[in-house]
Amino acid sequence: DVVLTQSPLSQSVTLGQPASISCRSSQSLVYSDGKTYLSWFQQRPGQSPRRLIYKVSNRDSGVPDKFSGGGSGTDFTLKISRVEAEDVGVYYCMQGTHWPLYTFGQGTKLEIK
Amino acid sequence: QVQLVQSGDEVKAPGASVKVSCKTSGYPFTKNGVSWVRRAPGQGLEWVGWISTRSGNTKYTQRLQGRVTLTTDKSTSTAYMELRGLTSGDTAVYYCAKDVDYSFESWGQGTLVTVSS
Repeated sequence: DVVLTQSPLSQSVTLGQPASISCRSSQSLVYSDGKTYLSWFQQRPGQSPRRLIYKVSNRDSGVPDKFSGGGSGTDFTLKISRVEAEDVGVYYCMQGTHWPLYTFGQGTKLEIK
Repeated sequence: QVQLVQSGDEVKAPGASVKVSCKTSGYPFTKNGVSWVRRAPGQGLEWVGWISTRSGNTKYTQRLQGRVTLTTDKSTSTAYMELRGLTSGDTAVYYCAKDVDYSFESWGQGTLVTVSS
């Protein structure tokens, strides 16, 4: 099974400062069609998950451009250019390349320092 | 707009079954599959299974194989998740999600299933 390992698992960031979350896969996430099905989700306290990024770097409609995704193969990163109070929550990466088995990372808890 | 509205929270005894519904709107129901995901207290997200809304074909996580069944009702654009033989380990918030291109584009509001004697 594909394992996604996120780091750090917890991050405390000063308002206005950047944040970065790493997601490493135990296997390549490049599908046979050449695309990479790696997504990022945000789950604020008491809310449902919300997708931020799909296929590594595509931002969903309505997602602020302070969120950006990058990487390739087995190493991926979510970056927040300037952390605001509303960004507090848990962030997950997820792979869909090895469907029908979807896998999530363990989650990274983002707090304000 | 796309909406997925789930049924209300449930409290069940160990060994019982639960069936959660997910009513969709705002898009053609049979265009996309529906996945189910759960989050247990203090844990991360765990994929439960997927159903094709067109064919009824299903895929399940091995951990729950044999205890979970996903179904749909095309006439009401509703997806269902039934989980049998409940244990305390099944206490979690269960989410349905619109499955698009190997990702989860939109999510339901979640249904808390509590297993307690």
